Amino acid sequence: DAGVIQSPRHEVTEMGQEVTLRCKPISGHDYLFWYRQTMMRGLELLIYFNNNVPIDDSGMPEDRFSAKMPNASFSTLKIQPSEPRDSAVYFCASNHRAGELRSYNEQFFGPGTRLTVL
Amino acid sequence: GEDVEQSLFLSVREGDSSVINCTYTDSSSTYLYWYKQEPGAGLQLLTYIFSNMDMKQDQRLTVLLNKKDKHLSLRIADTQTGDSAIYFCAERFSGNTPLVFGKGTRLSVIA
Repeated sequence: DAGVIQSPRHEVTEMGQEVTLRCKPISGHDYLFWYRQTMMRGLELLIYFNNNVPIDDSGMPEDRFSAKMPNASFSTLKIQPSEPRDSAVYFCASNHRAGELRSYNEQFFGPGTRLTVL
Repeated sequence: GEDVEQSLFLSVREGDSSVINCTYTDSSSTYLYWYKQEPGAGLQLLTYIFSNMDMKQDQRLTVLLNKKDKHLSLRIADTQTGDSAIYFCAERFSGNTPLVFGKGTRLSVIA
């Protein structure tokens, strides 16, 4: 398996532009997570999905951020309009559904998208 | 609320042991993890421990958990230059919930 795939790897845009980040989870994984990493705040959860349905979006900073998962193999995180404070590395991660037996249920991370908003 | 604290920096000499410490606040956390992030890369799971365990050893890695004090540590024996990276402590309520991360400890290994 190729692992979690994210695109683009780097994005540089100007303030006010729309930005779309893309993620392909590992095939068969039921859960997909979007995290954001900044120097000041570390790694924070933005939103996560189970079977394509958003479960918790309380980490989404504001209405400028939206995320969708139209099918089991694709998710997008959109920022419109983008602002300089959105500059960060955005990670997508996925995992199987944890079974009845105790399982450490590793969460697999993509390589991240480094976003710079000028 | 959930909060995970780590010291930000650690510097050790090659061949010495490294100990990275972490404290967490959520006593209901069932799983505790250590992830490693190398420059420009994503996060890679290093090891994990269940909350009903005190210790786990995996080759050069030893994880100690003091559940009473909500303290977790990662010991790396015979630290090598290739171990230089950022190490994240993370807690999780269940196998299907998000990870809650500390801010990461940047380990620098001096040759």
